[in-house]
Amino acid sequence: GQNIDQPTEMTATEGAIVQINCTYQTSGFNGLFWYQQHAGEAPTFLSYNVLDGLEEKGRFSSFLSRSKGYSYLLLKELQMKDSASYLCAVRLLTGGGNKLTFGTGTQLKVEL
Amino acid sequence: ETGVTQTPRHLVMGMTNKKSLKCEQHLGHNAMYWYKQSAKKPLELMFVYNFKEQTENNSVPSRFSPECPNSSHLFLHLHTLQPEDSALYLCASSLGLAATNEQFFGPGTRLTVL
Repeated sequence: GQNIDQPTEMTATEGAIVQINCTYQTSGFNGLFWYQQHAGEAPTFLSYNVLDGLEEKGRFSSFLSRSKGYSYLLLKELQMKDSASYLCAVRLLTGGGNKLTFGTGTQLKVEL
Repeated sequence: ETGVTQTPRHLVMGMTNKKSLKCEQHLGHNAMYWYKQSAKKPLELMFVYNFKEQTENNSVPSRFSPECPNSSHLFLHLHTLQPEDSALYLCASSLGLAATNEQFFGPGTRLTVL
Protein backbone atom coordinates (compact mmCIF):
# COMPACT_ATOMS: atom_id res chain seq x y z
CA GLY A 1 0.00 0.00 0.00
CA GLN A 2 0.89 3.65 0.00
CA ASN A 3 2.25 5.31 3.12
CA ILE A 4 3.18 8.95 3.63
CA ASP A 5 4.38 10.16 7.03
CA GLN A 6 4.76 13.68 8.36
CA PRO A 7 4.77 15.08 11.89
CA THR A 8 1.32 16.05 13.12
CA GLU A 9 2.28 19.36 14.70
CA MET A 10 5.23 21.72 14.92
CA THR A 11 5.79 25.03 16.67
CA ALA A 12 8.37 27.64 15.69
CA THR A 13 9.23 31.25 16.46
CA GLU A 14 8.65 34.22 14.17
CA GLY A 15 11.82 34.97 12.19
CA ALA A 16 13.23 31.48 12.66
CA ILE A 17 13.72 28.60 10.23
CA VAL A 18 11.64 25.41 10.33
CA GLN A 19 12.02 22.13 8.47
CA ILE A 20 9.00 19.89 7.89
CA ASN A 21 9.88 16.32 6.96
CA CYS A 22 7.96 13.85 4.85
CA THR A 23 8.80 10.20 4.26
CA TYR A 24 7.00 7.98 1.81
CA GLN A 25 6.74 4.36 0.77
CA THR A 26 4.77 4.09 -2.42
CA SER A 27 4.51 1.70 -5.35
CA GLY A 28 5.89 3.90 -8.09
CA PHE A 29 6.90 7.54 -7.78
CA ASN A 30 6.35 10.37 -10.21
CA GLY A 31 6.94 13.51 -8.19
CA LEU A 32 6.28 15.06 -4.79
CA PHE A 33 4.24 18.16 -4.02
CA TRP A 34 3.99 20.44 -1.03
CA TYR A 35 0.77 22.37 -0.42
CA GLN A 36 -0.12 24.97 2.22
CA GLN A 37 -3.62 25.00 3.69
CA HIS A 38 -4.89 27.69 6.04
CA ALA A 39 -7.83 26.73 8.22
CA GLY A 40 -11.07 26.78 6.23
CA GLU A 41 -9.31 27.53 2.96
CA ALA A 42 -8.19 25.69 -0.17
CA PRO A 43 -4.77 24.02 -0.32
CA THR A 44 -2.40 26.15 -2.37
CA PHE A 45 0.60 24.85 -4.31
CA LEU A 46 4.05 25.53 -2.83
CA SER A 47 6.54 23.31 -4.63
CA TYR A 48 7.13 20.31 -6.84
CA ASN A 49 10.15 17.97 -6.87
CA VAL A 50 10.66 15.09 -9.27
CA LEU A 51 14.47 14.91 -9.31
CA ASP A 52 16.80 14.69 -6.32
CA GLY A 53 17.97 17.95 -4.88
CA LEU A 54 16.81 21.29 -3.60
CA GLU A 55 14.24 23.58 -5.21
CA GLU A 56 14.26 27.14 -3.87
CA LYS A 57 11.41 29.60 -4.21
CA GLY A 58 11.76 32.71 -2.08
CA ARG A 59 11.45 31.91 1.61
CA PHE A 60 10.40 28.34 0.83
CA SER A 61 12.66 25.48 -0.31
CA SER A 62 11.89 21.82 -0.88
CA PHE A 63 14.31 18.91 -0.98
CA LEU A 64 13.90 15.41 -2.37
CA SER A 65 15.87 12.19 -2.04
CA ARG A 66 14.20 9.46 -4.07
CA SER A 67 16.55 6.72 -2.87
CA LYS A 68 15.60 7.48 0.74
CA GLY A 69 11.93 8.17 0.09
CA TYR A 70 12.37 11.49 1.85
CA SER A 71 11.50 15.12 1.34
CA TYR A 72 11.51 18.24 3.45
CA LEU A 73 10.01 21.69 3.21
CA LEU A 74 12.18 24.48 4.61
CA LEU A 75 10.58 27.75 5.62
CA LYS A 76 12.89 30.69 6.36
CA GLU A 77 12.23 34.01 8.10
CA LEU A 78 8.99 32.69 9.51
CA GLN A 79 6.02 35.02 9.63
CA MET A 80 2.82 34.71 11.63
CA LYS A 81 0.90 34.18 8.39
CA ASP A 82 2.89 30.96 7.83
CA SER A 83 0.79 29.31 10.54
CA ALA A 84 -1.06 26.69 8.51
CA SER A 85 -1.18 23.00 7.66
CA TYR A 86 1.51 21.80 5.24
CA LEU A 87 0.55 18.82 3.09
CA CYS A 88 3.01 16.45 1.46
CA ALA A 89 1.62 14.60 -1.57
CA VAL A 90 3.16 11.98 -3.84
CA ARG A 91 2.14 11.47 -7.43
CA LEU A 92 2.02 7.80 -8.30
CA LEU A 93 2.92 6.08 -11.53
CA THR A 94 -0.09 3.78 -11.42
CA GLY A 95 -2.23 3.60 -14.53
CA GLY A 96 -1.56 7.11 -15.76
CA GLY A 97 -3.46 10.15 -14.68
CA ASN A 98 -2.61 12.80 -12.17
CA LYS A 99 -3.32 10.91 -8.95
CA LEU A 100 -1.97 12.37 -5.75
CA THR A 101 -1.68 10.54 -2.43
CA PHE A 102 -1.55 12.92 0.51
CA GLY A 103 -0.08 12.73 3.98
CA THR A 104 -2.18 13.85 6.95
CA GLY A 105 -0.49 17.24 6.99
CA THR A 106 1.73 19.04 9.52
CA GLN A 107 0.04 21.80 11.51
CA LEU A 108 2.63 24.57 11.95
CA LYS A 109 2.11 27.20 14.62
CA VAL A 110 4.30 30.30 14.45
CA GLU A 111 4.64 32.14 17.76
CA LEU A 112 6.06 35.53 18.70
CA GLU B 1 -14.71 34.92 -10.77
CA THR B 2 -11.23 33.48 -10.93
CA GLY B 3 -9.69 30.14 -10.05
CA VAL B 4 -11.83 27.31 -8.72
CA THR B 5 -15.12 28.09 -7.00
CA GLN B 6 -17.38 25.79 -5.01
CA THR B 7 -20.95 26.15 -3.80
CA PRO B 8 -22.32 25.92 -1.24
CA ARG B 9 -19.50 26.59 1.21
CA HIS B 10 -21.43 24.94 4.04
CA LEU B 11 -24.16 22.30 3.89
CA VAL B 12 -26.11 20.50 6.60
CA MET B 13 -28.29 17.61 5.50
CA GLY B 14 -30.22 14.71 6.94
CA MET B 15 -29.52 11.13 5.97
CA THR B 16 -32.61 10.97 3.75
CA ASN B 17 -31.94 14.22 1.87
CA LYS B 18 -30.64 14.63 -1.66
CA LYS B 19 -28.29 17.50 -2.34
CA SER B 20 -25.63 18.47 -4.86
CA LEU B 21 -22.24 20.15 -4.60
CA LYS B 22 -21.08 22.33 -7.45
CA CYS B 23 -17.60 23.17 -8.66
CA GLU B 24 -16.62 25.57 -11.43
CA GLN B 25 -13.16 26.37 -12.72
CA HIS B 26 -12.27 29.49 -14.69
CA LEU B 27 -8.74 28.41 -15.60
CA GLY B 28 -9.34 26.74 -18.96
CA HIS B 29 -8.37 23.36 -17.50
CA ASN B 30 -9.44 19.99 -18.83
CA ALA B 31 -9.16 17.77 -15.76
CA MET B 32 -11.24 18.04 -12.58
CA TYR B 33 -11.16 16.14 -9.30
CA TRP B 34 -13.21 15.53 -6.16
CA TYR B 35 -11.38 14.99 -2.86
CA LYS B 36 -12.67 14.25 0.65
CA GLN B 37 -10.88 15.74 3.67
CA SER B 38 -11.91 14.31 7.05
CA ALA B 39 -10.55 15.46 10.38
CA LYS B 40 -7.19 13.90 11.24
CA LYS B 41 -7.12 12.02 7.91
CA PRO B 42 -5.27 12.65 4.65
CA LEU B 43 -6.96 14.16 1.64
CA GLU B 44 -8.58 11.26 -0.25
CA LEU B 45 -9.04 11.30 -3.99
CA MET B 46 -12.60 10.33 -4.95
CA PHE B 47 -13.06 10.93 -8.68
CA VAL B 48 -11.07 12.22 -11.65
CA TYR B 49 -12.51 13.56 -14.91
CA ASN B 50 -10.57 14.45 -18.03
CA PHE B 51 -12.35 16.14 -20.94
CA LYS B 52 -15.69 15.28 -19.25
CA GLU B 53 -14.86 11.56 -19.09
CA GLN B 54 -14.40 9.82 -15.74
CA THR B 55 -10.92 8.33 -15.55
CA GLU B 56 -10.83 7.39 -11.88
CA ASN B 57 -13.33 6.18 -9.28
CA ASN B 58 -11.44 5.46 -6.08
CA SER B 59 -13.88 2.84 -4.77
CA VAL B 60 -16.34 5.52 -3.72
CA PRO B 61 -19.77 4.35 -2.42
CA SER B 62 -22.63 4.79 -4.86
CA ARG B 63 -24.36 7.29 -2.57
CA PHE B 64 -21.87 9.76 -4.09
CA SER B 65 -22.62 10.33 -7.77
CA PRO B 66 -20.40 12.67 -9.81
CA GLU B 67 -21.41 14.51 -12.96
CA CYS B 68 -19.21 16.45 -15.36
CA PRO B 69 -21.30 18.14 -18.08
CA ASN B 70 -18.31 20.04 -19.49
CA SER B 71 -14.67 20.72 -18.68
CA SER B 72 -15.54 23.74 -16.54
CA HIS B 73 -18.19 22.25 -14.27
CA LEU B 74 -18.22 19.32 -11.88
CA PHE B 75 -21.01 18.21 -9.59
CA LEU B 76 -21.22 15.74 -6.74
CA HIS B 77 -24.75 14.45 -6.14
CA LEU B 78 -25.39 13.19 -2.62
CA HIS B 79 -28.17 10.88 -1.42
CA THR B 80 -28.80 8.77 1.67
CA LEU B 81 -25.50 9.80 3.24
CA GLN B 82 -24.21 8.61 6.59
CA PRO B 83 -22.89 10.73 9.48
CA GLU B 84 -19.37 9.48 8.74
CA ASP B 85 -19.60 11.21 5.36
CA SER B 86 -19.36 14.54 7.18
CA ALA B 87 -16.16 16.15 5.87
CA LEU B 88 -14.72 18.93 3.75
CA TYR B 89 -15.22 18.15 0.05
CA LEU B 90 -12.63 19.77 -2.15
CA CYS B 91 -12.72 20.21 -5.90
CA ALA B 92 -9.54 20.69 -7.91
CA SER B 93 -8.60 21.19 -11.54
CA SER B 94 -5.48 20.88 -13.65
CA LEU B 95 -4.57 21.62 -17.23
CA GLY B 96 -4.48 17.91 -17.97
CA LEU B 97 -3.33 14.64 -16.51
CA ALA B 98 0.36 15.04 -17.35
CA ALA B 99 2.92 14.56 -14.61
CA THR B 100 3.84 18.24 -14.44
CA ASN B 101 0.27 19.53 -14.21
CA GLU B 102 -0.26 21.23 -10.86
CA GLN B 103 -3.69 20.88 -9.26
CA PHE B 104 -5.55 24.03 -8.20
CA PHE B 105 -8.02 23.60 -5.37
CA GLY B 106 -11.31 25.27 -4.58
CA PRO B 107 -12.20 26.43 -1.05
CA GLY B 108 -14.30 23.35 -0.37
CA THR B 109 -17.79 22.58 0.89
CA ARG B 110 -18.07 21.77 4.59
CA LEU B 111 -20.68 19.00 4.76
CA THR B 112 -22.41 17.90 7.94
CA VAL B 113 -24.71 14.86 7.83
CA LEU B 114 -27.09 14.60 10.76
